[in-house]
Amino acid sequence: AQSVTQPDIHITVSEGASLELRCNYSYGATPYLFWYVQSPGQGLQLLLKYFSGDTLVQGIKGFEAEFKRSQSSFNLRKPSVHWSDAAEYFCAVNRGGSNYKLTFGKGTLLTVNP
Amino acid sequence: DTEVTQTPKHLVMGMTNKKSLKCEQHMGHRAMYWYKQKAKKPPELMFVYSYEKLSINESVPSRFSPECPNSSLLNLHLHALQPEDSALYLCASSPLTSGNTGELFFGEGSRLTVL
Repeated sequence: AQSVTQPDIHITVSEGASLELRCNYSYGATPYLFWYVQSPGQGLQLLLKYFSGDTLVQGIKGFEAEFKRSQSSFNLRKPSVHWSDAAEYFCAVNRGGSNYKLTFGKGTLLTVNP
Repeated sequence: DTEVTQTPKHLVMGMTNKKSLKCEQHMGHRAMYWYKQKAKKPPELMFVYSYEKLSINESVPSRFSPECPNSSLLNLHLHALQPEDSALYLCASSPLTSGNTGELFFGEGSRLTVL
């Protein structure tokens, strides 16, 4: 069964600092990988996705993520965090094909200090 | 139009009430989903409709009754709920092109409080 681990429950960074949120997955083949962001009381917005090809993917709001097969990781990065980035971030995996089940990690809450 | 629209945004109901949550999308997506999300938790899948037919029911109690009247609409009928059913209910949709990637498009959610 596929699974997703986000080791950090809560991360605090200062505005303007760089950010890396970790995500590790467990799945035999290369899955389809996603990062979603959720502001308080809101729905989930897709930041970026990886299916195949270039292992460094660019997303919205200045985010990027790198797929590393050897480490089974798909870490999310941003070079300079803005106060508006404070939110919950979910990594998710789907094995594709006819599978409708997106498996979410438990989420990482990002706090941004001024 | 790349939105999934959910109504109402907030709903308060008693345990004997009957209410419905509604979801609409006009992206031509043929898979639609209901998720339940408790505070500080990831979304949990409840139901999946594929081509307007129920594909997945994640052992959800019968007090939740989904309905997909057409390819654009998804309802969740609520009856005799319990206070522990209070949560954010998220609707999502996805295209069913070949090699479904599982990318979901979420609505803003309906915040349900059961008294």
